[in-house]
Amino acid sequence: DVKVTQSSRYLVKRTGEKVFLECVQDMDHENMFWYRQDPGLGLRLIYFSYDVKMKEKGDIPEGYSVSREKKERFSLILESASTNQTSMYLCASSPGHRDVGEQYFGPGTRLTVT
Amino acid sequence: RKEVEQDPGPFNVPEGATVAFNCTYSNSASQSFFWYRQDCRKEPKLLMSVYSSGNEDGRFTAQLNRASQYISLLIRDSKLSDSATYLCVVNPNTGFQKLVFGTGTRLLVSP
Repeated sequence: DVKVTQSSRYLVKRTGEKVFLECVQDMDHENMFWYRQDPGLGLRLIYFSYDVKMKEKGDIPEGYSVSREKKERFSLILESASTNQTSMYLCASSPGHRDVGEQYFGPGTRLTVT
Repeated sequence: RKEVEQDPGPFNVPEGATVAFNCTYSNSASQSFFWYRQDCRKEPKLLMSVYSSGNEDGRFTAQLNRASQYISLLIRDSKLSDSATYLCVVNPNTGFQKLVFGTGTRLLVSP
Protein backbone atom coordinates (compact mmCIF):
# COMPACT_ATOMS: atom_id res chain seq x y z
CA ASP A 1 0.00 0.00 0.00
CA VAL A 2 1.23 3.44 -0.94
CA LYS A 3 1.65 5.65 2.02
CA VAL A 4 2.08 9.41 2.00
CA THR A 5 2.56 10.99 5.39
CA GLN A 6 2.58 14.63 6.41
CA SER A 7 4.34 15.95 9.46
CA SER A 8 1.34 17.52 11.17
CA ARG A 9 -2.44 17.26 10.93
CA TYR A 10 -3.02 20.65 12.52
CA LEU A 11 -0.70 23.61 12.81
CA VAL A 12 -1.19 27.11 14.20
CA LYS A 13 1.37 29.78 13.38
CA ARG A 14 1.66 33.51 13.76
CA THR A 15 1.88 36.02 10.91
CA GLY A 16 5.47 36.42 9.77
CA GLU A 17 6.68 33.06 11.03
CA LYS A 18 8.58 30.69 8.75
CA VAL A 19 6.63 27.47 8.37
CA PHE A 20 7.84 24.06 7.19
CA LEU A 21 5.44 21.37 6.02
CA GLU A 22 6.99 17.98 5.47
CA CYS A 23 5.79 15.18 3.25
CA VAL A 24 7.22 11.68 2.95
CA GLN A 25 6.20 8.88 0.59
CA ASP A 26 7.34 5.28 0.88
CA MET A 27 6.77 3.96 -2.65
CA ASP A 28 9.80 5.32 -4.50
CA HIS A 29 7.62 7.67 -6.57
CA GLU A 30 9.35 10.12 -8.88
CA ASN A 31 6.71 12.85 -8.73
CA MET A 32 5.56 14.81 -5.73
CA PHE A 33 3.08 17.66 -5.45
CA TRP A 34 1.88 20.27 -3.00
CA TYR A 35 -1.70 21.56 -3.19
CA ARG A 36 -3.85 23.76 -1.06
CA GLN A 37 -7.58 23.20 -0.77
CA ASP A 38 -10.01 25.98 0.03
CA PRO A 39 -13.82 25.95 0.05
CA GLY A 40 -15.22 26.91 -3.32
CA LEU A 41 -11.79 26.91 -4.95
CA GLY A 42 -10.93 23.24 -4.87
CA LEU A 43 -7.39 21.91 -5.00
CA ARG A 44 -4.84 24.29 -6.45
CA LEU A 45 -1.31 23.24 -7.32
CA ILE A 46 1.44 25.18 -5.54
CA TYR A 47 4.61 23.37 -6.62
CA PHE A 48 5.59 20.00 -7.96
CA SER A 49 8.78 18.00 -8.41
CA TYR A 50 9.55 15.21 -10.85
CA ASP A 51 13.00 14.36 -9.52
CA VAL A 52 15.35 15.00 -6.65
CA LYS A 53 16.44 18.64 -6.53
CA MET A 54 14.01 19.50 -9.34
CA LYS A 55 11.01 21.74 -8.80
CA GLU A 56 8.41 23.43 -10.94
CA LYS A 57 5.95 26.17 -10.11
CA GLY A 58 2.32 25.31 -10.12
CA ASP A 59 -0.59 27.71 -10.39
CA ILE A 60 -0.14 29.59 -7.12
CA PRO A 61 3.54 29.55 -6.08
CA GLU A 62 3.70 33.07 -4.65
CA GLY A 63 4.67 33.11 -1.01
CA TYR A 64 5.87 29.49 -1.06
CA SER A 65 9.06 27.60 -1.80
CA VAL A 66 9.89 23.91 -1.82
CA SER A 67 12.79 21.59 -1.26
CA ARG A 68 13.42 18.07 -2.46
CA GLU A 69 16.78 16.81 -1.26
CA LYS A 70 15.76 13.16 -1.14
CA LYS A 71 13.41 11.24 -3.41
CA GLU A 72 10.99 10.34 -0.65
CA ARG A 73 10.71 13.77 0.93
CA PHE A 74 9.17 17.00 -0.37
CA SER A 75 8.98 20.04 1.86
CA LEU A 76 6.81 23.11 1.49
CA ILE A 77 8.10 26.32 3.04
CA LEU A 78 6.15 29.44 3.83
CA GLU A 79 8.87 32.06 4.13
CA SER A 80 6.71 34.54 6.05
CA ALA A 81 3.29 33.19 6.85
CA SER A 82 0.30 35.41 6.21
CA THR A 83 -3.35 35.02 7.17
CA ASN A 84 -4.35 34.34 3.55
CA GLN A 85 -2.23 31.19 3.71
CA THR A 86 -4.62 29.66 6.21
CA SER A 87 -5.74 26.55 4.37
CA MET A 88 -5.65 22.78 4.10
CA TYR A 89 -2.36 21.67 2.53
CA LEU A 90 -2.24 18.35 0.75
CA CYS A 91 0.84 16.54 -0.47
CA ALA A 92 0.62 13.92 -3.21
CA SER A 93 2.92 11.58 -5.08
CA SER A 94 2.70 9.59 -8.27
CA PRO A 95 4.85 6.90 -9.87
CA GLY A 96 5.94 8.48 -13.14
CA HIS A 97 5.04 9.79 -16.54
CA ARG A 98 3.08 6.70 -17.57
CA ASP A 99 0.71 6.89 -14.67
CA VAL A 100 -0.92 10.20 -15.27
CA GLY A 101 -3.91 10.67 -13.07
CA GLU A 102 -3.29 8.43 -10.13
CA GLN A 103 -1.92 10.63 -7.44
CA TYR A 104 -1.72 9.39 -3.88
CA PHE A 105 -2.49 11.98 -1.26
CA GLY A 106 -1.39 12.41 2.31
CA PRO A 107 -3.94 13.13 5.06
CA GLY A 108 -3.39 16.90 4.85
CA THR A 109 -2.20 19.61 7.21
CA ARG A 110 -4.71 22.18 8.31
CA LEU A 111 -2.69 25.34 8.80
CA THR A 112 -4.08 28.34 10.62
CA VAL A 113 -2.14 31.60 10.53
CA THR A 114 -3.18 34.12 13.16
CA ARG B 1 -14.14 30.40 -17.33
CA LYS B 2 -12.89 27.72 -14.97
CA GLU B 3 -10.90 24.89 -16.51
CA VAL B 4 -13.12 22.30 -14.83
CA GLU B 5 -16.65 23.05 -13.65
CA GLN B 6 -18.94 20.98 -11.50
CA ASP B 7 -22.30 21.51 -9.83
CA PRO B 8 -21.40 21.72 -6.12
CA GLY B 9 -24.69 20.10 -5.03
CA PRO B 10 -25.48 18.69 -2.58
CA PHE B 11 -27.34 15.92 -4.30
CA ASN B 12 -29.63 14.33 -1.72
CA VAL B 13 -30.79 10.86 -2.74
CA PRO B 14 -32.31 7.87 -0.92
CA GLU B 15 -30.53 4.55 -0.69
CA GLY B 16 -30.96 2.53 -3.84
CA ALA B 17 -31.38 5.53 -6.11
CA THR B 18 -29.44 6.20 -9.27
CA VAL B 19 -27.65 9.52 -9.42
CA ALA B 20 -25.55 11.18 -12.10
CA PHE B 21 -23.06 14.03 -12.03
CA ASN B 22 -21.67 15.98 -14.94
CA CYS B 23 -18.52 17.96 -15.26
CA THR B 24 -17.40 20.26 -18.09
CA TYR B 25 -13.85 21.11 -19.07
CA SER B 26 -12.63 24.04 -21.13
CA ASN B 27 -9.41 22.81 -22.75
CA SER B 28 -10.24 20.77 -25.84
CA ALA B 29 -6.67 19.40 -25.88
CA SER B 30 -7.17 17.62 -22.56
CA GLN B 31 -6.20 13.99 -22.80
CA SER B 32 -6.96 12.25 -19.55
CA PHE B 33 -9.94 12.38 -17.26
CA PHE B 34 -10.63 10.98 -13.82
CA TRP B 35 -13.07 10.92 -10.96
CA TYR B 36 -11.71 11.16 -7.44
CA ARG B 37 -13.66 10.69 -4.25
CA GLN B 38 -13.09 12.73 -1.11
CA ASP B 39 -14.73 11.81 2.16
CA CYS B 40 -15.36 14.49 4.75
CA ARG B 41 -12.06 15.64 6.30
CA LYS B 42 -10.11 13.04 4.34
CA GLU B 43 -7.77 13.13 1.40
CA PRO B 44 -8.91 12.62 -2.22
CA LYS B 45 -8.58 9.12 -3.66
CA LEU B 46 -8.82 7.97 -7.25
CA LEU B 47 -12.22 6.43 -7.95
CA MET B 48 -11.87 5.68 -11.63
CA SER B 49 -10.37 6.79 -14.90
CA VAL B 50 -12.61 7.92 -17.75
CA TYR B 51 -11.87 6.47 -21.17
CA SER B 52 -13.26 7.50 -24.53
CA SER B 53 -15.15 4.22 -24.69
CA GLY B 54 -16.57 4.67 -21.21
CA ASN B 55 -15.62 2.84 -18.07
CA GLU B 56 -17.65 0.74 -15.67
CA ASP B 57 -16.65 -0.49 -12.25
CA GLY B 58 -19.42 -2.23 -10.39
CA ARG B 59 -22.13 0.31 -9.64
CA PHE B 60 -20.11 3.18 -11.10
CA THR B 61 -20.06 4.19 -14.76
CA ALA B 62 -18.01 7.02 -16.21
CA GLN B 63 -18.50 8.49 -19.66
CA LEU B 64 -16.61 11.02 -21.76
CA ASN B 65 -18.14 13.24 -24.43
CA ARG B 66 -15.29 14.98 -26.22
CA ALA B 67 -17.52 16.85 -28.66
CA SER B 68 -19.35 18.59 -25.84
CA GLN B 69 -16.38 18.53 -23.49
CA TYR B 70 -18.06 16.90 -20.54
CA ILE B 71 -17.55 13.91 -18.31
CA SER B 72 -20.22 12.11 -16.37
CA LEU B 73 -20.35 9.76 -13.41
CA LEU B 74 -23.35 7.51 -12.82
CA ILE B 75 -23.86 5.72 -9.53
CA ARG B 76 -26.47 2.99 -9.44
CA ASP B 77 -28.07 1.49 -6.32
CA SER B 78 -26.64 4.20 -4.06
CA LYS B 79 -25.32 3.14 -0.66
CA LEU B 80 -24.96 5.20 2.49
CA SER B 81 -21.21 4.76 2.11
CA ASP B 82 -21.31 6.57 -1.24
CA SER B 83 -21.87 9.85 0.62
CA ALA B 84 -18.82 11.91 -0.26
CA THR B 85 -17.61 14.68 -2.54
CA TYR B 86 -16.79 13.60 -6.08
CA LEU B 87 -14.02 15.52 -7.80
CA CYS B 88 -13.79 15.73 -11.57
CA VAL B 89 -10.12 15.79 -12.61
CA VAL B 90 -8.57 16.60 -15.96
CA ASN B 91 -5.06 16.37 -17.34
CA PRO B 92 -4.92 19.43 -19.63
CA ASN B 93 -2.02 17.94 -21.57
CA THR B 94 0.37 20.79 -20.88
CA GLY B 95 3.49 18.66 -21.08
CA PHE B 96 3.53 17.14 -17.63
CA GLN B 97 1.17 15.14 -15.50
CA LYS B 98 -0.33 18.20 -13.96
CA LEU B 99 -3.92 17.64 -12.96
CA VAL B 100 -6.68 20.22 -12.71
CA PHE B 101 -9.27 19.45 -10.07
CA GLY B 102 -12.88 20.54 -10.08
CA THR B 103 -14.32 21.89 -6.86
CA GLY B 104 -16.40 18.76 -6.39
CA THR B 105 -20.00 17.62 -6.23
CA ARG B 106 -21.30 16.62 -2.84
CA LEU B 107 -23.49 13.53 -2.59
CA LEU B 108 -25.60 12.69 0.46
CA VAL B 109 -27.29 9.30 0.50
CA SER B 110 -29.97 8.93 3.15
CA PRO B 111 -31.66 5.79 4.59
